[in-house]
Amino acid sequence: AQSVTQLDSHVSVSEGTPVLLRCNYSSSYSPSLFWYVQHPNKGLQLLLKYTSAATLVKGINGFEAEFKKSETSFHLTKPSAHMSDAAEYFCVVTVFTGGGNKLTFGTGTQLKVEL
Amino acid sequence: SQTIHQWPATLVQPVGSPLSLECTVEGTSNPNLYWYRQAAGRGLQLLFYSVGIGQISSEVPQNLSASRPQDRQFILSSKKLLLSDSGFYLCAVYHGGANEKLFFGSGTQLSVL
Repeated sequence: AQSVTQLDSHVSVSEGTPVLLRCNYSSSYSPSLFWYVQHPNKGLQLLLKYTSAATLVKGINGFEAEFKKSETSFHLTKPSAHMSDAAEYFCVVTVFTGGGNKLTFGTGTQLKVEL
Repeated sequence: SQTIHQWPATLVQPVGSPLSLECTVEGTSNPNLYWYRQAAGRGLQLLFYSVGIGQISSEVPQNLSASRPQDRQFILSSKKLLLSDSGFYLCAVYHGGANEKLFFGSGTQLSVL
């Protein structure tokens, strides 16, 4: 079975400080992992993805994530938060099964950026 | 380019009434198709996914069902809606391989009253 756990439902940071959004996964197979962002009243936008190439993945808007197999983690980071980063972030794991590619979303982390 | 058509955009239905939400895809063939439900504070819950015509994998036991009568058509149905079926329903298309991508439809906001 596979699952995704986003450890924090809400994260609040000050503008200009680092961002850390945590994601842990469990999977019996080699997964692909994604981070998506959803701004208020907007659709889901892909930030970055890991597909068994480099373990440190760089995405859009200065975000990056590191795949750590030993820790089963794929935490999302950004060195300096901007007000426009306030949104909801979803970690996604995809694993190929007999029924196709199963994509499981985490429950989301709401990021708040304060002045 | 690929396009996902999902309709209707909003729907208000009484408890106990039937449901049919349709998703069609253009610009691709043999897609992996998905139905998700997004509820406030609960992220996106995977309901069904399909790798081909007539092939449906169900993730959550409930009074919803899905069908894939054609390669690029995915339908979410219910014979009798419950209040708890209210939510935002998203159809998605996934392509694996070197250019791995996940696309979403515009969603249907379902209110069961």
